[in-house]
Amino acid sequence: EPEVTQTPSHQVTQMGQEVILRCVPISNHLYFYWYRQILGQKVEFLVSFYNNEISEKSEIFDDQFSVERPDGSNFTLKIRSTKLEDSAMYFCASRWETDTQYFGPGTRLTVL
Amino acid sequence: AQTVTQSQPEMSVQEAETVTLSCTYDTSESNYYLFWYKQPPSRQMILVIRQEAYKQQNATENRFSVNFQKAAKSFSLKISDSQLGDTAMYFCARGADGLTFGKGTHLIIQP
Repeated sequence: EPEVTQTPSHQVTQMGQEVILRCVPISNHLYFYWYRQILGQKVEFLVSFYNNEISEKSEIFDDQFSVERPDGSNFTLKIRSTKLEDSAMYFCASRWETDTQYFGPGTRLTVL
Repeated sequence: AQTVTQSQPEMSVQEAETVTLSCTYDTSESNYYLFWYKQPPSRQMILVIRQEAYKQQNATENRFSVNFQKAAKSFSLKISDSQLGDTAMYFCARGADGLTFGKGTHLIIQP
């Protein structure tokens, strides 16, 4: 069964460094998403991406964040200058034209 | 802000019992979708069940069913014949594009 994959599973970085989180959505899906979950808290929507552009973003998704689909398979989230409060689990999700979003296993980001 | 509320932070039942997790939401949209996701200790988000708001019939997936009350903006999840593997965090979510999640209910199935 096709699934969303994410790399790395765990990323440790120093405050102020740039990180890129990578996702490979399910191959025929058209809509792509990033969410984050701070430990012990709820999952929060960051951004949605369709037809090579951002379709919706939350107030969390400020200028420090960017997304890209550099080729036909990868979907990336870049954080330019990480802060301690960026430490969280980051989930990628994708869907076809139907409503159901399928989530990847997540990348745990630790900012020291 | 459009919110999703799960009023039960934690629930514990015996194996084989039936348990109902509650969820209420706020929305101004007429067409939207509702979901229950399961998050085991691995933290993977697994879809349990989905409901289209324009459909009156309650969704069912094997042991999982929902009670969708559109006017009351309520979307509860019923798990029948609960199993040890059902132990997890359960998140209710609403949306048509970017999903809004509740804070979750930690469900513990006791042997």
